Amino acid sequence: GQNIDQPTEMTATEGAIVQINCTYQTSGFNGLFWYQQHAGEAPTFLSYNVLDGLEEKGRFSSFLSRSKGYSYLLLKELQMKDSASYLCAVGRYGNNRLAFGKGNQVVVIP
Amino acid sequence: DAGVIQSPRHEVTEMGQEVTLRCKPISGHDYLFWYRQTMMRGLELLIYFNNNVPIDDSGMPEDRFSAKMPNASFSTLKIQPSEPRDSAVYFCASRPGTGIETQYFGPGTRLLVL
Repeated sequence: GQNIDQPTEMTATEGAIVQINCTYQTSGFNGLFWYQQHAGEAPTFLSYNVLDGLEEKGRFSSFLSRSKGYSYLLLKELQMKDSASYLCAVGRYGNNRLAFGKGNQVVVIP
Repeated sequence: DAGVIQSPRHEVTEMGQEVTLRCKPISGHDYLFWYRQTMMRGLELLIYFNNNVPIDDSGMPEDRFSAKMPNASFSTLKIQPSEPRDSAVYFCASRPGTGIETQYFGPGTRLLVL
């Protein structure tokens, strides 16, 4: 099985930087995904890490340490539209069977 | 390009009734996934198909749930009989057979069983 842990909620100010952490315990690790989900909408893909290190994509960056079972998503220059839930998902033995964390709700305030 | 299409978007039914949820994956995608999302349990994989064949249904909660994919452009998830604890948002997702393995989610069906 797998165990995925994410903090539940955080509030940050527009223009700030926020880091969302995800820790996991699993066998057969194949990669880690980050998804964004606005209230009442479907999850949308943000990033994918399979090797250790930092992947940067515009205002969003994602980091992975496989030895520590740890990933984080970094959101820079926060905008109001970034208010959403951020889900990490672990792929095992191939990435078809994804195990999702319960998500971290980020609230951006003016 | 059209994304994943799901219908209905909202469904309210009474306990004991049959519920059928429908999904049209993105054209050309080889994989189709059905998920359920609740506050308590988060997003859970129920079943997935590869080239219309069910590969892993270990997430299907019980025999009341069944899923089919008669062709590459259509899948159904059926609950019979439905129970109040089935109330959730049901997402369908698809992905190509090659390339980055991200899944593309449909808008979801919000099911309420009274």
